[in-house]
Amino acid sequence: AQKITQTQPGMFVQEKEAVTLDCTYDTSDPSYGLFWYKQPSSGEMIFLIYQGSYDQQNATEGRYSLNFQKARKSANLVISASQLGDSAMYFCAMREGGGGFKTIFGAGTRLFVKA
Amino acid sequence: AAGVIQSPRHLIKEKRETATLKCYPIPRHDTVYWYQQGPGQDPQFLISFYEKMQSDKGSIPDRFSAQQFSDYHSELNMSSLELGDSALYFCASSLRTAKDSNQPQHFGDGTRLSIL
Repeated sequence: AQKITQTQPGMFVQEKEAVTLDCTYDTSDPSYGLFWYKQPSSGEMIFLIYQGSYDQQNATEGRYSLNFQKARKSANLVISASQLGDSAMYFCAMREGGGGFKTIFGAGTRLFVKA
Repeated sequence: AAGVIQSPRHLIKEKRETATLKCYPIPRHDTVYWYQQGPGQDPQFLISFYEKMQSDKGSIPDRFSAQQFSDYHSELNMSSLELGDSALYFCASSLRTAKDSNQPQHFGDGTRLSIL
């Protein structure tokens, strides 16, 4: 069965510094996609970055990069040059391939950016 | 760019009443997903539809049903509402491809349902 684990309930980072949010996953399917979403206090769910299980390179989107270590089954999100607006809940999610639609989410990490 | 539209944004109901939530996916997206997010919880997958057919089912109670219509919009029907149904309900949409797992789901702003 697929599973997502985010072990950091809360994280603090100083503005302009980088921060890494941890995510480990478990699946027996060789084909899967990993996603990170940001949920501000206003409630909407914002897609940040995607990593496919067959992708050779780590995904990057602006200040977001995904440190994908397939053998360790980890997909950590790195946010560079943190901004006050980055304060939010961050969810790691996974969807298995092979025609599956179900997506599971981790428990989330709440990031606080300090001025 | 057009996003996923959900209505209503807020809904207040009493126990044992019914509710209908609507979702309009991003144009040309053929897959719709429904999630329930309780206070302080992660989103829980309820159900999905691909090309108007139910494609996968998660932890959706029997009191809930959903469908996707010919114009690809979807509705989540909830009956015999309970206090525990109070949550944020998200709809998401994506475009299915041969490598489906690599298509991100784009979420609507959610419907906040409160049961009194």
